[in-house]
Amino acid sequence: DGGITQSPKYLFRKEGQNVTLSCEQNLNHDAMYWYRQDPGQGLRLIYYSQIVNDFQKGDIAEGYSVSREKKESFPLTVTSAQKNPTAFYLCASSVPGGVYEQYFGPGTRLTVT
Amino acid sequence: AQKVTQAQTEISVVEKEDVTLDCVYETRDTTYYLFWYKQPPSGELVFLIRRNSFDEQNEISGRYSWNFQKSTSSFNFTITASQVVDSAVYFCALSEMAGNTPLVFGKGTRLSVIA
Repeated sequence: DGGITQSPKYLFRKEGQNVTLSCEQNLNHDAMYWYRQDPGQGLRLIYYSQIVNDFQKGDIAEGYSVSREKKESFPLTVTSAQKNPTAFYLCASSVPGGVYEQYFGPGTRLTVT
Repeated sequence: AQKVTQAQTEISVVEKEDVTLDCVYETRDTTYYLFWYKQPPSGELVFLIRRNSFDEQNEISGRYSWNFQKSTSSFNFTITASQVVDSAVYFCALSEMAGNTPLVFGKGTRLSVIA
């Protein structure tokens, strides 16, 4: 079955540690996205990539980093510079161009204490 | 700049009632796309519909229907004869054709259907 995998579902880290969230897709989509969801805030775009080896900052990129070395993978690193990293993180993919629907993974809930 | 407003934060209805979720958008582009997504308690967003700005026909899919009105910049979503399984957070989103930008989401409406 085609889809998007995010692992793990729940992740716990101590403050000051970097943590990398995994996102893999087998939909053969060129574009991939990372969103952050906080209660009552909707989805906010962190980074997106329209093609391998290229990515752009979204609305809240500070304290995050990404890489896109393979079409299937778009890992997100939450660095210690992110002031409030506890949130629900969603990865998505689509055909390139904003006119197409995005397909989402199950999400990773990150808790930093 | 593009913006999506979902003024209803939470709605509760009794099973079998009809419910309408409002979505108002802002855009300077003449060509744009509107979307609705459902987020059940499991957390994964499920795509429901995409509509382009040139197609103002209402759409019906089973108990779901969508009303797109460019005159009021609205793209409302109605669930007829609601069921408990409809309980979820629903997001409206907008994408402009120009600029090749990703979706902009509203803050969502939490729908609770009570048996």
